[in-house]
Amino acid sequence: AQRVTQPEKLLSVFKGAPVELKCNYSYSGSPELFWYVQYSRQRLQLLLRHISRESIKGFTADLNKGETSFHLKKPFAQEEDSAMYYCALSGGATNKLIFGTGTLLAIQP
Amino acid sequence: SAVISQKPSRDICQRGTSLTIQCQVDSQVTMMFWYRQQPGQSLTLIATANQGSEATYESGFVIDKFPISRPNLTFSTLTVSNMSPEDSSIYLCSVEPFTGNNEQFFGPGTRLTVL
Repeated sequence: AQRVTQPEKLLSVFKGAPVELKCNYSYSGSPELFWYVQYSRQRLQLLLRHISRESIKGFTADLNKGETSFHLKKPFAQEEDSAMYYCALSGGATNKLIFGTGTLLAIQP
Repeated sequence: SAVISQKPSRDICQRGTSLTIQCQVDSQVTMMFWYRQQPGQSLTLIATANQGSEATYESGFVIDKFPISRPNLTFSTLTVSNMSPEDSSIYLCSVEPFTGNNEQFFGPGTRLTVL
């Protein structure tokens, strides 16, 4: 079955501390993995995708096929990083997205 | 990118009635999707809106309950029929432009409350 798991509903870290948002997936083929972010009162938007292999707003995520994980990391958290983060996968011909349950990241000053 | 608008932004409806949600894009797109986000839960795909043919529904969603139209490459509607309080959710439209890079852009959502 296709599934995305985000084990943490809430992650609270202090400003300047490292951040790691966990994401594990289950998929029989070769999926494409994404991180979407929703800031307060804004719409859901793409943060990054594994095929781009780029850093966006200091965030990176590496696809680990052995562990079926796509954890989101940032070495030094900033207050503006506070948001809801969703991991998602896409596979097959339809490009439909399967979302995890989301992690609320709260950065404490 | 694509700019997406949804109407209405929110509504409060009575049980047994129906509501049609509109999704308008500022440019032609290849794919349009409808998602539901129930309170405290993640986004769940309802269906893919196909231009010129019937929508493709995900398991657990049927056309009689969620009829969808897509008359052209920039517009789609989702109707929530015979509503019950369990239909109270945020309904989101997303689109995939013709860039071919699988990136989806989301609308602002429609917050529906059924009494």
